[in-house]
Amino acid sequence: AQSVTQLDSHVSVSEGTPVLLRCNYSSSYSPSLFWYVQHPNKGLQLLLKYTSAATLVKGINGFEAEFKKSETSFHLTKPSAHMSDAAEYFCVVSGLSSYDKVIFGPGTSLSVIP
Amino acid sequence: EAQVTQNPRYLITVTGKKLTVTCSQNMNHEYMSWYRQDPGLGLRQIYYSMNVEVTDKGDVPEGYKVSRKEKRNFPLILESPSPNQTSLYFCASSEIREREAGTQYFGPGTRLLVL
Repeated sequence: AQSVTQLDSHVSVSEGTPVLLRCNYSSSYSPSLFWYVQHPNKGLQLLLKYTSAATLVKGINGFEAEFKKSETSFHLTKPSAHMSDAAEYFCVVSGLSSYDKVIFGPGTSLSVIP
Repeated sequence: EAQVTQNPRYLITVTGKKLTVTCSQNMNHEYMSWYRQDPGLGLRQIYYSMNVEVTDKGDVPEGYKVSRKEKRNFPLILESPSPNQTSLYFCASSEIREREAGTQYFGPGTRLLVL
């Protein structure tokens, strides 16, 4: 069985400071992992995904995430927050194939203070 | 432009009045899915479809129906809506890949209120 935990329901950072959004997963086999972003009143957009290639994954808008199998984590980071980063972020776990189930985390709301 | 469209975007209805939310994609994707989003719960999958005439239940299928008669369309049907189906609904589509989980492309969402 698969599951995903996002450790913080809300994170607040100042503009220009680093962002860390935490995600831990549980999977009985090698997972695929995604981060999606949802801006207010918008649909979801893929930020980045890990599918068993390089463990450090770079995404759009300066975000990156590192897959750590020993810690079952896939934390999302960005060196310097921008006002436009304020949004809801979802960590998602799946299997290695498109036929596998997709499980969404509950989401982390990121606020950026000017 | 590659996109997933949903209609309507906003809907207010009353308990028991059948409704359909349409979903269409222009990317020739085999896989389509419906999710509902509720505060603190993330997205939960309602139904999904791997191809035409192939549909399967997700985590929360009760009270919903779907059909996949054409590859591009995947309507969500609420035969007798109830207030607990008040939610934000998303349709998504993706390619099917054997050795890689597909990236999902999401529609803009449909906000439903059932009185």
